[in-house]
Amino acid sequence: NAGVTQTPKFQVLKTGQSMTLQCAQDMNHEYMSWYRQDPGMGLRLIHYSVGAGITDQGEVPNGYNVSRSTTEDFPLRLLSAAPSQTSVYFCASSYATPGQGLWTQYFGPGTRLLVL
Amino acid sequence: SQELEQSPQSLIVQEGKNLTINCTSSKTLYGLYWYKQKYGEGLIFLMMLQKGGEEKSHEKITAKLDEKKQQSSLHITASQPSHAGIYLCGAEGAQKLVFGQGTRLTINP
Repeated sequence: NAGVTQTPKFQVLKTGQSMTLQCAQDMNHEYMSWYRQDPGMGLRLIHYSVGAGITDQGEVPNGYNVSRSTTEDFPLRLLSAAPSQTSVYFCASSYATPGQGLWTQYFGPGTRLLVL
Repeated sequence: SQELEQSPQSLIVQEGKNLTINCTSSKTLYGLYWYKQKYGEGLIFLMMLQKGGEEKSHEKITAKLDEKKQQSSLHITASQPSHAGIYLCGAEGAQKLVFGQGTRLTINP
């Protein structure tokens, strides 16, 4: 299993540009989520999905869109990039297993985004 | 909404020393998760605690959840360079995991 994969690893955007951060998992996990990590603020949830066709907002959803057409893929779209979206983005997936809980999440390696 | 406060925010210890990282919640914890992040990489699941007074160990890392289920501690015994990284606690909320701000651990040889 490849686990959770994210592309690209690094990206530089200009203000106003749009782009899609890709996330895929091959573990047949129903739950997937996107976080952003900023210095001193830990991880903040952007959007999450509990299954194909179902998405919901997290703590900081503004400026981001998601869709979940398949179990494997959960792309994050930046509609019009702003410098405040400069961050490291992590995708995660998890499954519900007795004794482990829903939130034993597997994280991707992250995408570093710089918006100029 | 639930908030998690980690302390200290950063920690520098000599190799071989013991250390403790704390995670305090504003609400009762129904699932407390510890993750480790190596610099520039994703998060790795360490342990999950659910019951008041619960304690789990993995190699030289021990995590505890207090009886009131509002505070957890992560203790590392005889620290090694491989323990360096950022440690994050996470609490189970409504279909999401809320994280603390992280503790950056540096191990000096």
